[in-house]
Amino acid sequence: DVKVTQSSRYLVKRTGEKVFLECVQDMDHENMFWYRQDPGLGLRLIYFSYDVKMKEKGDIPEGYSVSREKKERFSLILESASTNQTSMYLCASSLSGVVEQFFGPGTRLTVL
Amino acid sequence: QKEVEQNSGPLSVPEGAIASLNCTYSDRGSQSFFWYRQYSGKSPELIMFIYSNGDKEDGRFTAQLNKASQYVSLLIRDSQPSDSATYLCAVPNSGGYQKVTFGTGTKLQVIP
Repeated sequence: DVKVTQSSRYLVKRTGEKVFLECVQDMDHENMFWYRQDPGLGLRLIYFSYDVKMKEKGDIPEGYSVSREKKERFSLILESASTNQTSMYLCASSLSGVVEQFFGPGTRLTVL
Repeated sequence: QKEVEQNSGPLSVPEGAIASLNCTYSDRGSQSFFWYRQYSGKSPELIMFIYSNGDKEDGRFTAQLNKASQYVSLLIRDSQPSDSATYLCAVPNSGGYQKVTFGTGTKLQVIP
């Protein structure tokens, strides 16, 4: 079975802190994605990566950056956390050429 | 106009009834359509996909696609309380890399 893991289920940070969210998949998937999910707004794509060291902006990249140094790991970075970044963050992965995405359990981030 | 639209619900149906969930999309070039189920506090998981006009059945689930009218439906027969969840419609983007646009989801409540 595909397994996507995320470093934390719950995280509480203070405004202005630098925040790292880690995602690891064990199925050798080429594509990896970071979404945030908010009530009434659904899943919105922040960034995605289709290969090591490759990244593309999604629909809402402002205030975020990403890093993919190894195929299995995709990190989301909040350079200076703000209260409007309080959200559920979901990581997903998929094989190249395949649309089905497998999601991690999510990280609920609260920024105070 | 949003690219993928769903009624947020909640849609309440009695146990044993048929639940009908609908999704409309704006890109006439869309070729494939996906339904994800998301239980409260959990991450989305793929339950159905459909590529061609007509119906696709998988157990109690039937996906219906009408490309001319640009809508896709998910029917759940013999609804069970365990079907209570939010159902997300997803449509691949034309931009490649297997990006998808998710609808905001319809919350289904099956009343025992």
